Amino acid sequence: NAGVTQTPKFRILKIGQSMTLQCAQDMNHNYMYWYRQDPGMGLKLIYYSVGAGITDKGEVPNGYNVSRSTTEDFPLRLELAAPSQTSVYFCASKVTGINEQYFGPGTRLTVT
Amino acid sequence: AQRVTQPEKLLSVFKGAPVELKCNYSYSGSPELFWYVQYSRQRLQLLLRHISRESIKGFTADLNKGETSFHLKKPFAQEEDSAMYYCALSGSQGGSEKLVFGKGTKLTVNP
Repeated sequence: NAGVTQTPKFRILKIGQSMTLQCAQDMNHNYMYWYRQDPGMGLKLIYYSVGAGITDKGEVPNGYNVSRSTTEDFPLRLELAAPSQTSVYFCASKVTGINEQYFGPGTRLTVT
Repeated sequence: AQRVTQPEKLLSVFKGAPVELKCNYSYSGSPELFWYVQYSRQRLQLLLRHISRESIKGFTADLNKGETSFHLKKPFAQEEDSAMYYCALSGSQGGSEKLVFGKGTKLTVNP
């Protein structure tokens, strides 16, 4: 199993550009999550999904959108990139009833 | 509200010294507590969960409901323990499938 994979690893965006961060898992986990990690701030939940077709907002959803058309994939969309979205983004997944989350390697995004 | 507090941003110890990373939480019900670790250039991974009451890589953590704490301890630190450590909480009430993370403590073990 590859576990949780994320692409790209790094990306530099200009203000106002859009992009999609990809996340995939091959463990048949129904729960998937997107976090951002800012220095000294820990991990903040952006969006999560309890299964295909179901998504919900986390703590910091503004400026982001998600979709979950399959169990495996959970892309995160940034429509109008802003410098405040410069961060490291982590995707995670887990199964129902077991609270251990499995994390991807992260995507480092810089918006200038 | 669920909240996790890690009071130390940075912690530096010498190899062989005991280490304790502090974690306090705020939650009205019965939480599930975790420690996650992130080594340099690696992804976050689960280190400990309180319900399993196990020792991983020499680390232990005991849930103290009276003090609402879940401190991580190791009697003899090793250089390979240098990493970022996050304490996390999952509630037993609505929203229990989400984790709330502390801000993390960066542990440096010096030779």
